[in-house]
Amino acid sequence: DAGVTQSPTHLIKTRGQHVTLRCSPISGHKSVSWYQQVLGQGPQFIFQYYEKEERGRGNFPDRFSARQFPNYSSELNVNALLLGDSALYLCASSSTRVTSYNEQFFGPGTRLTVL
Amino acid sequence: KQEVTQIPAALSVPEGENLVLNCSFTDSAIYNLQWFRQDPGKGLTSLLLIQSSQREQTSGRLNASLDKSSGRSTLYIAASQPGDSATYLCAVTPNDYKLSFGAGTTVTVRA
Repeated sequence: DAGVTQSPTHLIKTRGQHVTLRCSPISGHKSVSWYQQVLGQGPQFIFQYYEKEERGRGNFPDRFSARQFPNYSSELNVNALLLGDSALYLCASSSTRVTSYNEQFFGPGTRLTVL
Repeated sequence: KQEVTQIPAALSVPEGENLVLNCSFTDSAIYNLQWFRQDPGKGLTSLLLIQSSQREQTSGRLNASLDKSSGRSTLYIAASQPGDSATYLCAVTPNDYKLSFGAGTTVTVRA
């Protein structure tokens, strides 16, 4: 079975541009979460979507937005890119909402470099 | 606000030695705790998940313990191998929808 997939693998943008990152969850998983990982730090939570509804948002500016499609895939959009947005963007999927046995599975990430 | 700390930040051991990685968290109200492995520039691989009602979980050479009341978890890796070299991250699920991560411990196993 395929795991969580993300595209593209790498991306180089310039300041002020817009970027769209894509994620496909494990088949049957209805929850998708997005995380930002800056070099040397742990991942920071950006969004979670469950059944196409936003369930939570982390402490990120409104330049960050996301959505989940009927097939449970998801897009993360970032507008007006800043140098500080350079990071590894990780997508995670899980089968249910938060429970004690709810394991999160991560994709390989998209490496975004902003010049 | 949940704070997760992993000490030490880096660890180097000779092959065959047992590894002990520590994780502490400030709020004991968690659903579960998960340990992940991350290779350089790659995504996260889930190693073990410990439910809040459990004390430990085992998978092969890996054993993780959880003491919720003291806000601590320990990951033991027996008989380390060079292939175990990676960054190990712990994350807790507080009473909402997200994972709160530590910064990780980078392990180097010397052949």
